[in-house]
Amino acid sequence: DAGVIQSPRHEVTEMGQEVTLRCKPISGHDYLFWYRQTMMRGLELLIYFNNNVPIDDSGMPEDRFSAKMPNASFSTLKIQPSEPRDSAVYFCASSFRDRGIEQYFGPGTRLTVT
Amino acid sequence: EDQVTQSPEALRLQEGESSSLNCSYTVSGLRGLFWYRQDPGKGPEFLFTLYSAGEEKEKERLKATLTKKESFLHITAPKPEDSATYLCAVPGGTSYGKLTFGQGTILTVHP
Repeated sequence: DAGVIQSPRHEVTEMGQEVTLRCKPISGHDYLFWYRQTMMRGLELLIYFNNNVPIDDSGMPEDRFSAKMPNASFSTLKIQPSEPRDSAVYFCASSFRDRGIEQYFGPGTRLTVT
Repeated sequence: EDQVTQSPEALRLQEGESSSLNCSYTVSGLRGLFWYRQDPGKGPEFLFTLYSAGEEKEKERLKATLTKKESFLHITAPKPEDSATYLCAVPGGTSYGKLTFGQGTILTVHP
């Protein structure tokens, strides 16, 4: 299995620019999760989808953040406009409910907003 | 509000020196407790799921145990390759998949 795939692995952008992070979940998994990890706040869930439908977006910090899942094999997390405090590592994870609720994480995207 | 607290924040061991990491939790209606390992620059890697008090699971030098208030990750005769951050997490009371993670324990094993 290829595992969860994320792109880009690193992103450096200037404040005010739009940033789009991409994720391909493990084939056959029906849940997809977006997390953010910082030293101060640890690993935080932003939003998750079930069968491409957003279920809980209460962790999305503000309206500048949006996420979509147009099909079972692709999801995006967009930040517009970006701010320096958005600098973090963003992880995508997926799971298959019938095998419990273990989540399998991608390698992450390290975002730096200057 | 669900809370997960891990201790210690950092642990340094000599190779072969066994120890334990702690994860205490406050959640309404535990539906599982998860342990993950995270290496620098990588995503968390799933290790174990524990569902009920008294349950134990093992993998190589790691053994996870669960009580009604906390979980322990016991590391027996650790090796330098066991060095990593160990995270525990619990799912939210009513929201499937909404994991709350602890801050993690950074384990360093010296040869």
